Amino acid sequence: EVQLVESGGGLVQPGRSLRLSCAASGFTFDDCAMHWVRQAPGKGLEWVSGITWNSGSIAYADSVKGRFTISRDNAKNSLYLQMNSLRPEDTALYYCAKGMALYMAYGMDVWGHGTTVTVSS
Amino acid sequence: QSVLTQPPSVSGAPGQRVTISCTGSSSNIGAGYDVHWYQQLPGAAPKLLIYANRNRPSGVPDRFSVSKSGTSASLAITGLQAEDEADYYCQSFDISLSGSAVVFGGGTKLTVL
Repeated sequence: EVQLVESGGGLVQPGRSLRLSCAASGFTFDDCAMHWVRQAPGKGLEWVSGITWNSGSIAYADSVKGRFTISRDNAKNSLYLQMNSLRPEDTALYYCAKGMALYMAYGMDVWGHGTTVTVSS
Repeated sequence: QSVLTQPPSVSGAPGQRVTISCTGSSSNIGAGYDVHWYQQLPGAAPKLLIYANRNRPSGVPDRFSVSKSGTSASLAITGLQAEDEADYYCQSFDISLSGSAVVFGGGTKLTVL
């Protein structure tokens, strides 16, 4: 079964850090770009960051550029998101999503259930 | 403000046809990048509905179709059913002076009357 399972979310104070993980199974992980997409409570989807199959190209939304770092470990079938200098507006459900090709400009055909990040004092 | 513009809401009666527009620009849809559509049922993760402008993943009924022209795309749902009530998002790829990025529309809430 093709599956993505996110972990690492929680309650964190503004300015602190958090690291999200996404464990992939059921498909060839290094054949796909991967993404993080978030959804604030009651809001729409916001793409956060993406990474190509070999980590050769990485992109970020302007809202997180310079604070978040995406990475992947193909040997462990895992995707990560290091989030630093967290702000209240980063509060959201964070989804891990599988790209349909090696590069980022394609659809996302598998989504995890998400992990919740709450930034509050 | 989303890079891709969708109407906040649309509605229709069972059996009717509704359309959801997705308007971009010359740096995304107009540059030839594919448009993809997602359906998000209440309380669930998004699900890929249409990819690469017109392709349906296995299991998605042919009641869902897409047209694309210039800097816009449109999702059509025919034979509306109660189970279609959900949020719908379009997505594309954008390249600008600030770099490349995946972009989503703001989402459209479909209400089946």
